[in-house]
Amino acid sequence: AQKVTQAQTEISVVEKEDVTLDCVYETRDTTYYLFWYKQPPSGELVFLIRRNSFDEQNEISGRYSWNFQKSTSSFNFTITASQVVDSAVYFCALSEAGYRDDKIIFGKGTRLHILP
Amino acid sequence: EAQVTQNPRYLITVTGKKLTVTCSQNMNHEYMSWYRQDPGLGLRQIYYSMNVEVTDKGDVPEGYKVSRKEKRNFPLILESPSPNQTSLYFCASSPGLAEVYEQYFGPGTRLTVT
Repeated sequence: AQKVTQAQTEISVVEKEDVTLDCVYETRDTTYYLFWYKQPPSGELVFLIRRNSFDEQNEISGRYSWNFQKSTSSFNFTITASQVVDSAVYFCALSEAGYRDDKIIFGKGTRLHILP
Repeated sequence: EAQVTQNPRYLITVTGKKLTVTCSQNMNHEYMSWYRQDPGLGLRQIYYSMNVEVTDKGDVPEGYKVSRKEKRNFPLILESPSPNQTSLYFCASSPGLAEVYEQYFGPGTRLTVT
């Protein structure tokens, strides 16, 4: 069965520090997709990245980077030189995209506080 | 503007009084989904729809119904709401899951059942 674990419930760091949010997943399929979403205090859900299971290349987008490791079933998210605007709840999600199982499973989220 | 809209944004109701939360998208997306968000539990999928007239249960479908008569609309129906359905509800859409695109989320509906 699908499962997404975000073991860090809440993290606080001082502005300009780097921070990594962990995501560990479980799936029975060889084809699956992983996502990260951001939910700022205003409440909307903002897409950050999608990664399919065949693409293990790490991705960098500005101060954000993602490390996908199939060997450890992890898809971790790092914010470099954090800023107060990065304060939000971050969700990792998984979809197996099977023939009849197109559920999307979200982790419970990590609340990130960036302290000025 | 491409968007997913939900109505109402806020709703307070009483136990047992049927209600419908509407969801509409203007992006011609095939895939639509409903989630509920509860503190400490993250987002949990209630129902999803791959296309018109095709709906499937997510992880927490009990107490909810959906329909997909048109591609753009995916209403969430609570036939007999109970206090444990007090939650923040999000509708989402995406072009399709074959390629598993990002989901576009609506602004959320905060429901309180007393």
